[in-house]
Amino acid sequence: KAGVTQTPRYLIKTRGQQVTLSCSPISGHRSVSWYQQTPGQGLQFLFEYFSETQRNKGNFPGRFSGRQFSNSRSEMNVSTLELGDSALYLCASGSETGPADTDTQYFGPGTRLTVL
Amino acid sequence: DQQVKQNSPSLSVQEGRISILNCDYTNSMFDYFLWYKKYPAEGPTFLISISSIKDKNEDGRFTVFLNKSAKHLSLHIVPSQPGDSAVYFCAASPLGKGAQKLVFGQGTRLTINP
Repeated sequence: KAGVTQTPRYLIKTRGQQVTLSCSPISGHRSVSWYQQTPGQGLQFLFEYFSETQRNKGNFPGRFSGRQFSNSRSEMNVSTLELGDSALYLCASGSETGPADTDTQYFGPGTRLTVL
Repeated sequence: DQQVKQNSPSLSVQEGRISILNCDYTNSMFDYFLWYKKYPAEGPTFLISISSIKDKNEDGRFTVFLNKSAKHLSLHIVPSQPGDSAVYFCAASPLGKGAQKLVFGQGTRLTINP
């Protein structure tokens, strides 16, 4: 089974621009979550989508948004980029076919975003 | 506020010995915990999980222990191997959420010395 894929792997943008990142979950997985990893803040939860609906949201400004398509693929958008948005953006997918205590999230390799 | 804390930024262990990584949490609403391993330039890889109804879960060389009263969990790796050298993250999920909305610790860099 193919793992979680993220595109692009690397991206360089300038302040004020916007960016869209893409995530394809493991086949059959309907839950997709996004995380931001920075040296200072560590791994932080952005939001989670399930069946095209945002189900959970972290503590990030409205410049960060996402969506999920009917095939469970997800995109994350960041508008009006700031220098502090430079980070590794990780996507994770989950199956939720078993009991809650067996849930696992499987992560993609991430997109490294650099804002200049 | 740091709801999940890994107080040791790094740990060095001799090959073949036991590695013990620790994690503390403050939110009593967490009831599902996971450990991930991360190599540079890769996403975290799931290792093992435990729900709050258990105090121990074992998978091969990896064992996770949960002490709910102390809000503490630990990951034991026995025996440690050079390939275990990586950054280990502890993660917790709120009540009833399964693996959704994970809150991560800052990570511990484990180095296994030959």
